[in-house]
Amino acid sequence: EAGVAQSPRYKIIEKRQSVAFWCNPISGHATLYWYQQILGQGPKLLIQFQNNGVVDDSQLPKDRFSAERLKGVDSTLKIQPAKLEDSAVYLCASSSLRSPETQYFGPGTRLLVL
Amino acid sequence: AQSVTQLGSHVSVSEGALVLLRCNYSSSVPPYLFWYVQYPNQGLQLLLKYTSAATLVKGINGFEAEFKKSETSFHLTKPSAHMSDAAEYFCAVSEEFQEYGNKLVFGAGTILRVKS
Repeated sequence: EAGVAQSPRYKIIEKRQSVAFWCNPISGHATLYWYQQILGQGPKLLIQFQNNGVVDDSQLPKDRFSAERLKGVDSTLKIQPAKLEDSAVYLCASSSLRSPETQYFGPGTRLLVL
Repeated sequence: AQSVTQLGSHVSVSEGALVLLRCNYSSSVPPYLFWYVQYPNQGLQLLLKYTSAATLVKGINGFEAEFKKSETSFHLTKPSAHMSDAAEYFCAVSEEFQEYGNKLVFGAGTILRVKS
């Protein structure tokens, strides 16, 4: 069974530029999560989808971050415009309805904003 | 809201020695507790999870953790450290049970160093 896929793995941009990250969850997993992991900290949930609907986006900075999960499979997280403090690893995870408590993580996208 | 405290941002042990990584959660009992491991430039891998079935939970790679309600703790142990155990370890709790998936709250992580 293929794991959670993410791309790109690394991205360097200038502040005020825009960037997008892509995630493909494990096949059949209804729930998809985006986490932000700042250096030296644990991951923090940004947004949670069930199928193509948003369950929780309470910690998503909506003035600059957006996310979508069209068709309930792949998801894209966008930052526009980026700030220096957005430098972090962005992790995507997914879970199944059969075992909703267990999340499987992708390798992450490491973003550096200069 | 749940919170997680991991005591010690860095732990150093000799190869073959006991590994003990500490985790305390906030006072209300969470439905689930987890330990994840993260190797450099990789995502998080699940080591083990507590789901109230048993207080002593065994995971992969010889790790285990014990849930102690009276101490609000879920410490991770391994009897004998191996060089390949060097990584960062995260304790996490779920906010509440939801049938479609649970928000995880993570601790700040503990970097384990294994000396030869």
